[in-house]
Amino acid sequence: DAGITQSPRHKVTETGTPVTLRCHQTENHRYMYWYRQDPGHGLRLIHYSYGVKDTDKGEVSDGYSVSRSKTEDFLLTLESATSSQTSVYFCAISEPGYGYTFGSGTRLTVV
Amino acid sequence: SQQGEEDPQALSIQEGENATMNCSYKTSINNLQWYRQNSGRGLVHLILIRSNEREKHSGRLRVTLDTSKKSSSLLITASRAADTASYFCATDDQGAQKLVFGQGTRLTINP
Repeated sequence: DAGITQSPRHKVTETGTPVTLRCHQTENHRYMYWYRQDPGHGLRLIHYSYGVKDTDKGEVSDGYSVSRSKTEDFLLTLESATSSQTSVYFCAISEPGYGYTFGSGTRLTVV
Repeated sequence: SQQGEEDPQALSIQEGENATMNCSYKTSINNLQWYRQNSGRGLVHLILIRSNEREKHSGRLRVTLDTSKKSSSLLITASRAADTASYFCATDDQGAQKLVFGQGTRLTINP
């Protein structure tokens, strides 16, 4: 999607390894979000950021950490990947009072 | 926890017919949003309706909001095959700058 890119698009990793997903925006939006999407659960918020170095937890934050050292980049790290973290991960950006713009997603498989 | 719940979970109609999807939520909100997701893609923002608005239109889309019943509906008129997708409602939980999504309605338009 225009203005927001996620990398990688697909990743297979082994249980116990750390994994970092990247979200990059060119829109200079203040807010950035990480969601995961699983069948039967819809989208659930993992972490979000409201500015450089300002982050907060969502409803499913256990096992995940984030960092935002620049306005344009929001990194999601799985500290020690587990099979329950197999999912599709979406990044989104927004400004207050407006809709979100989502990235194309990262399909992560933990084996 | 899920804030919004869509109904029905799945809907199949003929091309040209109208499609109506409903969303209920639990807490007070500043705005409610609707998104579309095509298979394997990211979510696309369709429309945002603020808590002081009762109805909003965008092309073939019509959204209503009843804050007294904590419910919203999305109407797609004159459906097309390209409208086949999943549709999600999302609310800013008690005005927080983060969206909580429902599990979505899967809409299939049959030619």
